[in-house]
Amino acid sequence: QVQLVQSGSEVKKPGASVKVSCKASGYTFTSYDINWVRQATGQGLEWMGWMNPKSGNTGCAQRFQGRVTMTKNTATSTAYMELSSLRSEDTAVYYCVRVVGAIDYWGQGTLVTVSS
Amino acid sequence: DIQMTQSPSSLSASVGDRVTITCRASQGIRNELGWYQQKPGKAPKRLIYAASSLQSGVPSRFSGSGSGTEFTLTISSLQPEDFATYYCLQHNNYPPLTFGGGTKVEIK
Repeated sequence: QVQLVQSGSEVKKPGASVKVSCKASGYTFTSYDINWVRQATGQGLEWMGWMNPKSGNTGCAQRFQGRVTMTKNTATSTAYMELSSLRSEDTAVYYCVRVVGAIDYWGQGTLVTVSS
Repeated sequence: DIQMTQSPSSLSASVGDRVTITCRASQGIRNELGWYQQKPGKAPKRLIYAASSLQSGVPSRFSGSGSGTEFTLTISSLQPEDFATYYCLQHNNYPPLTFGGGTKVEIK
């Protein structure tokens, strides 16, 4: 069965970076895009960006440009999302999701807390 | 980018009630819309894809309709386990993806 398993919670100081991993299993990793979605506490879902695991091509929402980097390790079927210059407003649960047309599978989420 | 306006943002309903949630797209998106249910502390779960197709394993009391710019999620008879937050998601002209603002369904 398809699974996306993410790395554990992180606590970071303002200005630092965080890198979240997402290990895919149950399907061919290079066949479908991986996207990242975040959710601040009590708030809605916000799309961050996308990656094609076959080509490595990426793109992101304008508000994250210059701060987010999405990479992959095809050998381990793992996608990564790194967010830099963290601020308190980046405190949220970050989800990796598989996109086949729309989102069909979600990771379990990774809580990133930004606090001094 | 396409904007999704979801309404209402919250509602109170009783077990057995019929519940309707609406999403409007800022431009036509054909049928490229899904509905997701999220319970506290959990990742969202897809209920409906392609505007009206029921995801495998989802109870038939959930249904979706619409095309173009206006879409509806209906729960025909609300059950205790349906109290949750619901989101629409459009994927026309991906990327990007755009979510509606969410509808919290609470117990009356």
